[in-house]
Amino acid sequence: QSALTQPASVSGSPGQSITISCTGTSSDIGGNNYVSWYQQNPGKAPRLMIYEVSNRPSGVSDRFSGSKSGSTASLTISGLQAEDEADYYCTSYISSSSHYVVFGGGTKLTVL
Amino acid sequence: EVQLVESGGGLVEPGGSLRLSCAASGFIFDTQSMNWVRRAPGKGLEWVSYISSGSSYIFYADSVKGRFTISRDNAKTSLYLQMNSLRPEDTAMYYCAKNRLPGVHEAFDIWGQGTMVTVSS
Repeated sequence: QSALTQPASVSGSPGQSITISCTGTSSDIGGNNYVSWYQQNPGKAPRLMIYEVSNRPSGVSDRFSGSKSGSTASLTISGLQAEDEADYYCTSYISSSSHYVVFGGGTKLTVL
Repeated sequence: EVQLVESGGGLVEPGGSLRLSCAASGFIFDTQSMNWVRRAPGKGLEWVSYISSGSSYIFYADSVKGRFTISRDNAKTSLYLQMNSLRPEDTAMYYCAKNRLPGVHEAFDIWGQGTMVTVSS
């Protein structure tokens, strides 16, 4: 169960847009649309930001958007705000003889 | 208010056992599938285990298979994780998390605040 690949860190200035990539394989991201993204602040529980590649739960700002191309999913945050500084994780479902879920290694977003 | 509250964490020696609990409230527990997810210090999130609403389907990550057992008591609206043969690499904050809709493929829409497990001699 190899983790999905995310950049360790990204940064941007307030008002800018940033994109976090999440690369997998045809067995996970490339094989289904059950990709989700989570935001985690220090000492806090993770928060669902995007589900099924591009859907936002109620209460999540429309500045957050998700997409997928092949085996790579992406989270884009537009109009960066200081409060967006956090760790972000992607995850995908893997259907095989043993059903499971795999997370990316996480990306630290710094708002400069 | 929808809420998940974990308990049962603590310090345990390698090879020891621990049972985590997660008390759910604010939603119809017996219709929802649940999970345990952990985060080791300085590392990322790792999915640990899944259980369907009626306990018919149970899945584990390879890293805990054969050592951990997930279970639930719908009458008590509680989720459990029995952890045996604990190793130092099991040291982590353990979160219970609800699936947005029933199914192991579904996103985790509600999370608890976590309970810390430390495996050390």
